Amino acid sequence: DTGVSQDPRHKITKRGQNVTFRCDPISEHNRLYWYRQTLGQGPEFLTYFQNEAQLEKSRLLSDRFSAERPKGSFSTLEIQRTEQGDSAMYLCASSFPGEAYEQYFGPGTRLTVT
Amino acid sequence: GQNIDQPTEMTATEGAIVQINCTYQTSGFNGLFWYQQHAGEAPTFLSYNVLDGLEEKGRFSSFLSRSKGYSYLLLKELQMKDSASYLCAVKDSNYQLIWGAGTKLIIKP
Repeated sequence: DTGVSQDPRHKITKRGQNVTFRCDPISEHNRLYWYRQTLGQGPEFLTYFQNEAQLEKSRLLSDRFSAERPKGSFSTLEIQRTEQGDSAMYLCASSFPGEAYEQYFGPGTRLTVT
Repeated sequence: GQNIDQPTEMTATEGAIVQINCTYQTSGFNGLFWYQQHAGEAPTFLSYNVLDGLEEKGRFSSFLSRSKGYSYLLLKELQMKDSASYLCAVKDSNYQLIWGAGTKLIIKP
């Protein structure tokens, strides 16, 4: 396994457009997380899945954001009606269940909204 | 509220030792993680502490005091490739990771 992968690596879109990102976790990991990170800040939690179940979603997350993990493998994160404030790095991470296990991060998708 | 504090930036010399501190106030505690993040790249795992004391892993060590809400990451024999941001993250009572803003470490020759 080559690790967590994300696609695309970069996305430039105009304000108001919808975008979708994909994450492929490490195959043995059943937990999958989405984070957003802006320059000079730590990752901000968005949502996480255990298998196909979305167990938690940040209260700070706008209704414009939605995530799916239909078969418990890859996941998608969609942002509708993008705004300039959505410009950030979107990180996906996966892990084994259990609290001592670290999260392995993908390379991220850098979104720029113009 | 939940809060994790780290210095914004530190500078050290190649070959020296540096200690990066992290203090936290969270709703519950279920472990503390340190990650390294090079500019433009994803975070990579360095260490995990859940009990008080020192965990050593090669040139890197991490210390935890739960009663003080305090941890530090110790980097020895600094190399130029250690120039990166170091992120402290705590698992709260909901088992979610709360992240600090990171400490940018600059290594000078």
